[in-house]
Amino acid sequence: GQQLNQSPQSMFIQEGEDVSMNCTSSSIFNTWLWYKQDPGEGPVLLIALYKAGELTSNGRLTAQFGITRKDSFLNISASIPSDVGIYFCAPRGTSYGKLTFGQGTILTVHP
Amino acid sequence: DTGVSQDPRHKITKRGQNVTFRCDPISEHNRLYWYRQTLGQGPEFLTYFQNEAQLEKSRLLSDRFSAERPKGSFSTLEIQRTEQGDSAMYLCASSPVGYTDTQYFGPGTRLTVL
Repeated sequence: GQQLNQSPQSMFIQEGEDVSMNCTSSSIFNTWLWYKQDPGEGPVLLIALYKAGELTSNGRLTAQFGITRKDSFLNISASIPSDVGIYFCAPRGTSYGKLTFGQGTILTVHP
Repeated sequence: DTGVSQDPRHKITKRGQNVTFRCDPISEHNRLYWYRQTLGQGPEFLTYFQNEAQLEKSRLLSDRFSAERPKGSFSTLEIQRTEQGDSAMYLCASSPVGYTDTQYFGPGTRLTVL
């Protein structure tokens, strides 16, 4: 089956620092999505990547779809307290249905 | 608010009871998905619909689980004879049909089985 590894599992940083997290897989995917989830809420879409090699920014967030189609990274620049939450990568393969979610990266930002 | 809505937000039930959750997708979104999320894990796919047709089901969806989308709009997820292991957050998402059919999630229904 598909193996999806998201790292790091957790990060504790100071406000203003940059953050980087990534996902790697043993399988090829056609789409990589990144979501943020706050406690007790549903995931909120941050960035969507549709082509291998694609680099996309959304404000302070930048994500890239790996050229091998087996990995993706998400960077957050100049972190702020409201960046606190759990970040998930969620790639999709050939099926237009399900997303496969990583284990999540828990981000804590100290003011 | 035109996002995905779910009802109820929280449900506490006793083992063996039946429960039903409702999801209202973003209007004009043809696809609707159900996921389950346990504490400390990412969401896991359960099933999805395109219009009223249920196109894919995960092996996680045991015989006690049934999902419907009778008119291609809202959907219901029913769990019969609930077990303590069913305790989880049940998430609904919707997306338009197309290459970029990005999924937008609702706030979830938190189920606790006592």
